[in-house]
Amino acid sequence: QQQVKQSPQSLIVQKGGISIINCAYENTAFDYFPWYQQFPGKGPALLIAIRPDVSEKKEGRFTISFNKSAKQFSLHIMDSQPGDSATYFCAASPSYGGSQGNLIFGKGTKLSVKP
Amino acid sequence: GAGVSQSPRYKVAKRGQDVALRCDPISGHVSLFWYQQALGQGPEFLTYFQNEAQLDKSGLPSDRFFAERPEGSVSTLKIQRTQQEDSAVYLCASSLAIELDYEQYFGPGTRLTVT
Repeated sequence: QQQVKQSPQSLIVQKGGISIINCAYENTAFDYFPWYQQFPGKGPALLIAIRPDVSEKKEGRFTISFNKSAKQFSLHIMDSQPGDSATYFCAASPSYGGSQGNLIFGKGTKLSVKP
Repeated sequence: GAGVSQSPRYKVAKRGQDVALRCDPISGHVSLFWYQQALGQGPEFLTYFQNEAQLDKSGLPSDRFFAERPEGSVSTLKIQRTQQEDSAVYLCASSLAIELDYEQYFGPGTRLTVT
């Protein structure tokens, strides 16, 4: 059973456009929701993360929107650039009394930004 | 500073061989995670160490998989009698502290191909 569902599987956006990737989860014990960016041949790197006590977090061109009641969260990339072309993973993690647990990843979205 | 390093970067093994994959976490990082990433998929959790203690090994797919971190620093993931389904990228991640918000830093991974 897939605990974190991610869509779309692939996304093509024009330079300067907005890229939107969506994730949904089922386990209400999840308490930490990061987004990772992965380039070919590299390990995932943290982009931005959110806790469920806030509905939105923005860092530069990257914004997470979080809907706790719907158990959904999304990544918005504003002014998308060709250098943003990569695979993006949403993830979720339970909290064990404030301590981190393992990350549970979605299947990934391959983003291509066309110049 | 130096990030998480993994060796070897690529490993080809014949079915039935044993392999050992090494992870050098960022110095001073308490937590260490191993993940398995199949082609085109998100990483999946294998096991977690806090210092030298293996606190969670629920993700190890079979008793052929074994991990250790004897001195709370370098970790080794060992796979005995490799099978074709073991072919994947094995990622190591480390984190400075155990609290939930601390970032997991990923290494570049070891790509294992079992022939």
